Amino acid sequence: GAVVSQHPSRVICKSGTSVKIECRSLDFQATTMFWYRQFPKQSLMLMATSNEGSKATYEQGVEKDKFLINHASLTLSTLTVTSAHPEDSSFYICSADRVSGTEAFFGQGTRLTVV
Amino acid sequence: QKEVEQDPGPLSVPEGAIVSLNCTYSNSAFQYFMWYRQYSRKGPELLMYTYSSGNKEDGRFTAQVDKSSKYISLFIRDSQPSDSATYLCAMSADYGGATNKLIFGTGTLLAVQP
Repeated sequence: GAVVSQHPSRVICKSGTSVKIECRSLDFQATTMFWYRQFPKQSLMLMATSNEGSKATYEQGVEKDKFLINHASLTLSTLTVTSAHPEDSSFYICSADRVSGTEAFFGQGTRLTVV
Repeated sequence: QKEVEQDPGPLSVPEGAIVSLNCTYSNSAFQYFMWYRQYSRKGPELLMYTYSSGNKEDGRFTAQVDKSSKYISLFIRDSQPSDSATYLCAMSADYGGATNKLIFGTGTLLAVQP
């Protein structure tokens, strides 16, 4: 099956710093990648849709200047949480679509803790 | 009203039981229906994928979609302790290039007791 690798799996950072999370499709090309956020015992909430070579589309209520998304190639998208605050602590998950497919494959998630 | 409703559980069953997990939805444009399994602190893993109405079977898992009732189900036969996880339903509509903009249910936490 298709493999999506997300790195790091866990990160702790200080308030005010920035954190970058990478999402890579290892064995397929992904024209579209999605970034989700999941709070404990809650569902995945879509944050933004990232298309290769163009600006990301953010969902309502998501600050685009705080959550910077770059999709520079067909196999890599990055999410940078800028000026992190404790309330940004969450589980962030990416997913990727194959160019010719209709199924989304998920990374293993990144647990971000801001102290 | 949420677009997708799912009972969060927890649901506890004995090993070998048949498990029924359900979701309802309000958006009639949804055409793609998925069930994901998520172990604690891991990313979701696709279990079943169905387009439009009907049934789909894969081993011990059966997915059912009833678009007229806006209701989907996942059945797990002969449940095993290793099936213990959170099960998320997800669905999407065909919005042209955004086919996989998935809307998730809250997930149902399942515990299969040995």
